[in-house]
Amino acid sequence: QVQLVESGGGVVQPGRSLRLSCAASGFTFTTYGMHWVRRAPGKGLEWVAVVSNDGTKKFYVDSVKGRFTISRDDSKNTVYLQMNSLRPEDTAVYHCAKGPRGSQYFDYWGLGTLVTVSS
Amino acid sequence: DIQMTQSPSTLSASVGDRVTITCRASQSISTWLAWYQQKPGKAPKFLIYHVSDLESGVPSRFSGSGSGTEFTLTISSLQPDDFATYYCQQYISYPLTFGGGTKVEIK
Repeated sequence: QVQLVESGGGVVQPGRSLRLSCAASGFTFTTYGMHWVRRAPGKGLEWVAVVSNDGTKKFYVDSVKGRFTISRDDSKNTVYLQMNSLRPEDTAVYHCAKGPRGSQYFDYWGLGTLVTVSS
Repeated sequence: DIQMTQSPSTLSASVGDRVTITCRASQSISTWLAWYQQKPGKAPKFLIYHVSDLESGVPSRFSGSGSGTEFTLTISSLQPDDFATYYCQQYISYPLTFGGGTKVEIK
């Protein structure tokens, strides 16, 4: 069965960096695009970034462009989110999500990892 | 960016009620709409894609309809397991965007 397990969250000061990881299993990783979606406390879901199945295409929400970088390591079945210049408004649970082939909704989600940006 | 607006933001209902949630897009998204269910502390669960196609395993009491800019999610007979927050999402273009969510709570 499909499993997505996030790690790397924690408490970090504004301006610092953090790297999230998402270990995937139960499907052919190289076939599918992978996303990060976040939910800030008391707010709704917000899509953050996507990397295509072959790693050549990446898209971001405007609020993280230039600060966050999504990448994937197909040898490890893992997708990453490098987060630099963190801001308090980046505080959220970050979910990794798998997209189906050829479309951009999310058919499987991880439980998420909490990132808290605070001094 | 395409804005997605859900209503109501909170809905109080009883077991057995028919429940309808509305999702509006700021411009036409054709039928590129999905729905998700989220419970506290859990990962979101994928319910519906392409407006009305149920994901495998999703109970048939869930249904979706609409096209263009106005969409609905209907639960025909609310069950105890359905009390949760529901989100719509457009996937016609980046950035992918969600509605603000509708919390279905016990009346």
